[in-house]
Amino acid sequence: KQEVTQIPAALSVPEGENLVLNCSFTDSAIYNLQWFRQDPGKGLTSLLLIQSSQREQTSGRLNASLDKSSGRSTLYIAASQPGDSATYLCAVQGGSEKLVFGKGTKLTVNP
Amino acid sequence: DAGVTQSPTHLIKTRGQQVTLRCSPKSGHDTVSWYQQALGQGPQFIFQYYEEEERQRGNFPDRFSGHQFPNYSSELNVNALLLGDSALYLCASSSTKSSGEQYFGPGTRLTVT
Repeated sequence: KQEVTQIPAALSVPEGENLVLNCSFTDSAIYNLQWFRQDPGKGLTSLLLIQSSQREQTSGRLNASLDKSSGRSTLYIAASQPGDSATYLCAVQGGSEKLVFGKGTKLTVNP
Repeated sequence: DAGVTQSPTHLIKTRGQQVTLRCSPKSGHDTVSWYQQALGQGPQFIFQYYEEEERQRGNFPDRFSGHQFPNYSSELNVNALLLGDSALYLCASSSTKSSGEQYFGPGTRLTVT
């Protein structure tokens, strides 16, 4: 059974800092991995999708890496801004196509 | 492109009642998945519909049922509501012809009293 763990559960940083969010999964037989952002009480916004054959994806100030063999992914946020404050969720998709989520990392960027 | 839409936004029901939630997928998508997100938790997979059939189901009781219509929109029905069914219900759509990336709607907040 696939399990996804995200560390840390919460993170508070000053504006401008570069930061890394971690995601680990127990079954390396994945099809892809997605990082999402969720604002309080809202739906999920897809940030980055990494296919199993890829090592990383970049979008603006965000960079996500994938090491399938070790069951790890990281989301790097450069030059953080208060508007980045949200919960970040990692999800893996196996052959069954359902997404298995971690519990998320709650990020607070202080002005 | 309107993206994934869900209705209603919020809903308050009493224990034992039944509820129906609705989802319209992103244009061009043919697959709809439903997730339940309790407070402080990650979303949990309920089931997935493709070609009007339930293709896969998570660990949820039979009180949870669904339907997909010919236009790919979908409904989630929950019978005999329990207090523990209070959650944010999220709908996601995807296309079998693309990368499998799932796009989520804004969710329906269900409160059972």
